[in-house]
Amino acid sequence: QVTLKESGPVLVKPTETLTLTCTVSGFSLSNSKMGVSWIRQPPGKALEWLARVFSNDEESYSTYLKTRLTISKDTSKSQVVLTMTDMDPLDTATYYCARTYNYGVGNHGPSNFDYWGQGTLVTVSS
Amino acid sequence: DIQLTQSPSSLSASVGDSVTITCRASQSISNYLNWYQLKPGKAPNLLIYAASSLHGGVPSRFSGSGSGTDFTLTISSLRPEDFATYFCQQSFTSPLSFGQGTKVEIK
Repeated sequence: QVTLKESGPVLVKPTETLTLTCTVSGFSLSNSKMGVSWIRQPPGKALEWLARVFSNDEESYSTYLKTRLTISKDTSKSQVVLTMTDMDPLDTATYYCARTYNYGVGNHGPSNFDYWGQGTLVTVSS
Repeated sequence: DIQLTQSPSSLSASVGDSVTITCRASQSISNYLNWYQLKPGKAPNLLIYAASSLHGGVPSRFSGSGSGTDFTLTISSLRPEDFATYFCQQSFTSPLSFGQGTKVEIK
């Protein structure tokens, strides 16, 4: 059974750094067909893809947020960590991690988010 | 970056109705288009991948079509559990992106 679970602070102050952890089970982060992405949804707004890490540790990021984001994984712990620096109230959102399944060939072929965590609401406020 | 534009942003329908949601890409994305369903407080669900392939366990009343820049999601014979928000998403190129969502409400 594939599961993903997000953990981290529910409240951060402006300018602080957010660190979120996604703990996965039911699959290995070393599987070449699978990566993990972080996605967020501000209240009442659309989903926004943030970052992705592949089995070979290759990373990719949102164009608009890449200077603030770092994604990494610890295969032995089955965890993927996202850090976002310089938090702002506009970063208030539900943050999801999702398994990124590459149904094509290679890291840059077609993919989908076939399993998601329940999400964690992060509020940015002083 | 590839922009995805969904229409309508919301719609009202009755149980048993058929509804169609459109997603238009700012450039050709072949068939690298997925659809998701979101309900408040629940994990999102993958419905359709590769524009028209039904994800495992998803009811057959959901269907997708399209290629290039224009795509549709159709829900035939709406059921009460289908009232939710639907998003399209492209995996043609990084950065990955989503449409702005379509909320399907009960009339």
